[in-house]
Amino acid sequence: GNSVTQMEGPVTLSEEAFLTINCTYTATGYPSLFWYVQYPGEGLQLLLKATKADDKGSNKGFEATYRKETTSFHLEKGSVQVSDSAVYFCALLSPGTDKLIFGTGTRLQVFP
Amino acid sequence: NAGVTQTPKFQVLKTGQSMTLQCAQDMNHEYMSWYRQDPGMGLRLIHYSVGAGITDQGEVPNGYNVSRSTTEDFPLRLLSAAPSQTSVYFCASSQGPGGNTIYFGEGSWLTVV
Repeated sequence: GNSVTQMEGPVTLSEEAFLTINCTYTATGYPSLFWYVQYPGEGLQLLLKATKADDKGSNKGFEATYRKETTSFHLEKGSVQVSDSAVYFCALLSPGTDKLIFGTGTRLQVFP
Repeated sequence: NAGVTQTPKFQVLKTGQSMTLQCAQDMNHEYMSWYRQDPGMGLRLIHYSVGAGITDQGEVPNGYNVSRSTTEDFPLRLLSAAPSQTSVYFCASSQGPGGNTIYFGEGSWLTVV
């Protein structure tokens, strides 16, 4: 079946450091891929998405590229801020459905 | 711009009590769903609906009931709460299959003691 695997956290960084959160997936067909973010005490917000191979999603300085050859959708940001501290979820959407399959989430802690 | 509205945001229940988590959306979306979020497990699909009058089970449906009498509302019922149902619950909606953006509510934090 379809699944998403994320690197375990927490990821602890100093402000302005480079961020990578790894995400790989297993799916039949060509799923859409998403990153959601959950700030402390809040709900889920869509951060970025990509719907086909080689697409790059970007938002708020975050980027992720849909790599079909490596079945990956790693999240990157060149310079993190304290305000980026949150839990990040990678997710996929199987073609023809609106059922999201989530990874376990990665907590990011950024210190000044 | 209400989007997806969930109530209540916080609730404490005693084992065996029943309650309903409310979810409403004002975007005329056909597709609605409920997820639960547990530490180390991400979000898992409980039930979903592809339109008024149509519901189906997701990955973890046991202990929960749903109905969809209108396009706007999709309540989640716990008939006899158990400590294992302590979780954060998210309602979501979208226009339908095809990679459209899925919108989430702000979550309902439920504790069963």
